[in-house]
Amino acid sequence: GENVEQHPSTLSVQEGDSAVIKCTYSDSASNYFPWYKQELGKRPQLIIDIRSNVGEKKDQRIAVTLNKTAKHFSLHITETQPEDSAVYFCAARGSTLGRLYFGRGTQLTVWP
Amino acid sequence: DTAVSQTPKYLVTQMGNDKSIKCEQNLGHDTMYWYKQDSKKFLKIMFSYNNKELIINETVPNRFSPKSPDKAHLNLHINSLELGDSAVYFCASSQGQGRNTGELFFGEGSRLTVL
Repeated sequence: GENVEQHPSTLSVQEGDSAVIKCTYSDSASNYFPWYKQELGKRPQLIIDIRSNVGEKKDQRIAVTLNKTAKHFSLHITETQPEDSAVYFCAARGSTLGRLYFGRGTQLTVWP
Repeated sequence: DTAVSQTPKYLVTQMGNDKSIKCEQNLGHDTMYWYKQDSKKFLKIMFSYNNKELIINETVPNRFSPKSPDKAHLNLHINSLELGDSAVYFCASSQGQGRNTGELFFGEGSRLTVL
């Protein structure tokens, strides 16, 4: 099956700085790569996703890039704010049954 | 109006007891899931049902038994609870299946504490 590695496990930045979270995947047939944000005590919620036929996607302060050759994708958050503090999960949809394989999460803390 | 709702939100119980968590989605999705999130925040899939049919059954002790009476409901029954079952259990749903599966919508989670 698919294997998704996510780094770093924790990330602290100053408000206004950028944050980058990186993920790698193993199944070259994976075709869909979502990112979920989970605030403390809340449910994970989709913030952005990218499909394998696209190299980059942007939505206001967040962007995701995908390098299919290297099998890695990244989340970029610019002009971070304290409310961006949360656990972020990357995921990849494998070729088996369409299931999502999640990374282990990154705890992002944005200091005011 | 909650899209994916699960009950109860909190469960505190003794080792050896049996408990159930219920999940309902009103999004018209045909695939539902149970995920377990441990204390290290790792999201691990347990089961997936598509139109009441079990399609994913991860390596989960057979003390865990899912039941899907219809495509809008997926319940989880746990027998003989153990300390290691303490976690947050998330129900989720999505439209489509296989490589055409859409976005995952999660419920609010059910925090199970086994004493």
